[in-house]
Amino acid sequence: SQKIEQNSEALNIQEGKTATLTCNYTNYSPAYLQWYRQDPGRGPVFLLLIRENEKEKRKERLKVTFDTTLKQSLFHITASQPADSATYLCALVGNSNYQLIWGAGTKLIIKP
Amino acid sequence: DVKVTQSSRYLVKRTGEKVFLECVQDMDHENMFWYRQDPGLGLRLIYFSYDVKMKEKGDIPEGYSVSREKKERFSLILESASTNQTSMYLCASTPQGFPDTQYFGPGTRLTVL
Repeated sequence: SQKIEQNSEALNIQEGKTATLTCNYTNYSPAYLQWYRQDPGRGPVFLLLIRENEKEKRKERLKVTFDTTLKQSLFHITASQPADSATYLCALVGNSNYQLIWGAGTKLIIKP
Repeated sequence: DVKVTQSSRYLVKRTGEKVFLECVQDMDHENMFWYRQDPGLGLRLIYFSYDVKMKEKGDIPEGYSVSREKKERFSLILESASTNQTSMYLCASTPQGFPDTQYFGPGTRLTVL
């Protein structure tokens, strides 16, 4: 069955450093992948979408890579700030175009 | 900005009660979704709707039903609430032309006692 894995352990990063989060998937080949941010008690908010023919996508301090050979996406936040602390979710399209398959998310903590 | 609102942020119900969760979006989106989110698990799709009066089951529809009488409103119904339905419920919408991004409401934290 289709499966997405994100590191379940919280990631602690010192302010100013680059945070890197990982999303691995198995058993299918998604056409694109999305990353969302979720703050406690709130709904997820879309950050970036990357397609299978794109190796890298950037938005301000955010960078996403998509390696379809490794079946992996990396999400980078450069010059991290305490305000970046949140849970980050990756999502891939499933067999139905209407349905996304979601990872459980990785909690990122940026320490001042 | 797209706005998705949910009728309650917190809800406490008793086992066996019928529960209605309402979701409204203001951007004329065709597609609407109901998810539940539990610790350690990804968002799990309960039902989705791609048009008024149309609905499709997601991965975990058992114990739930939905209603979409108007384009902007998508309701989730727990016919007879059970304790294992205690969860965070999230509504989302997308315009036609998937894979557009999903816009989420703030969530309803439901506790069933």
